[in-house]
Amino acid sequence: GAVVSQHPSWVICKSGTSVKIECRSLDFQATTMFWYRQFPKQSLMLMATSNEGSKATYEQGVEKDKFLINHASLTLSTLTVTSAHPEDSSFYICSARATQPLAKNIQYFGAGTRLSVL
Amino acid sequence: AQKITQTQPGMFVQEKEAVTLDCTYDTSDPSYGLFWYKQPSSGEMIFLIYQGSYDQQNATEGRYSLNFQKARKSANLVISASQLGDSAMYFCAMREGDTGGFKTIFGAGTRLFVKA
Repeated sequence: GAVVSQHPSWVICKSGTSVKIECRSLDFQATTMFWYRQFPKQSLMLMATSNEGSKATYEQGVEKDKFLINHASLTLSTLTVTSAHPEDSSFYICSARATQPLAKNIQYFGAGTRLSVL
Repeated sequence: AQKITQTQPGMFVQEKEAVTLDCTYDTSDPSYGLFWYKQPSSGEMIFLIYQGSYDQQNATEGRYSLNFQKARKSANLVISASQLGDSAMYFCAMREGDTGGFKTIFGAGTRLFVKA
């Protein structure tokens, strides 16, 4: 299957700092990438949809100034958590939707980033 | 309104037996896709199987099969010959067409425990 690389896998930061998470599709082009947040023992919550070359579309309740998303190329999207606070601690997962020639527009996921804000 | 429902928070199965994980969905969009993902303790989301709303036959991928009952709006995952490595969290997901903005939403998940 297609490979999505997410980096870093784990980050600890001080409150007030910013953290950037990268998501790369390694062997396919992804015009659309998604960012999810997952709290312990809960399901994935869609934060935003990122389209290459345009502004991200945020889900209701997600602060766009807090979670900056940039999708600069067909293989890279970044999520920056600005001025992180302990309540931002969570598991963040990116996903890239494969378009043709990969079949069925399946979303492939990165391995996730565990963010801990002290 | 909840669009993807997984009613089993946890399931146990004996190794080498089959298990069915339930999933029901709700949509008015005639075009949609249904997915199952596996999430082991490491956190990665592993794609297992896909069923399109217009597919005539149930999807199968190795030991995984999807029991698609369109009229009942259910898309249960069947895992045959369970293995210890199948112990994980399983998520059912749906992607709607135009009405859903082509976004994929996930159910609450079912944690599967495979017993030796």
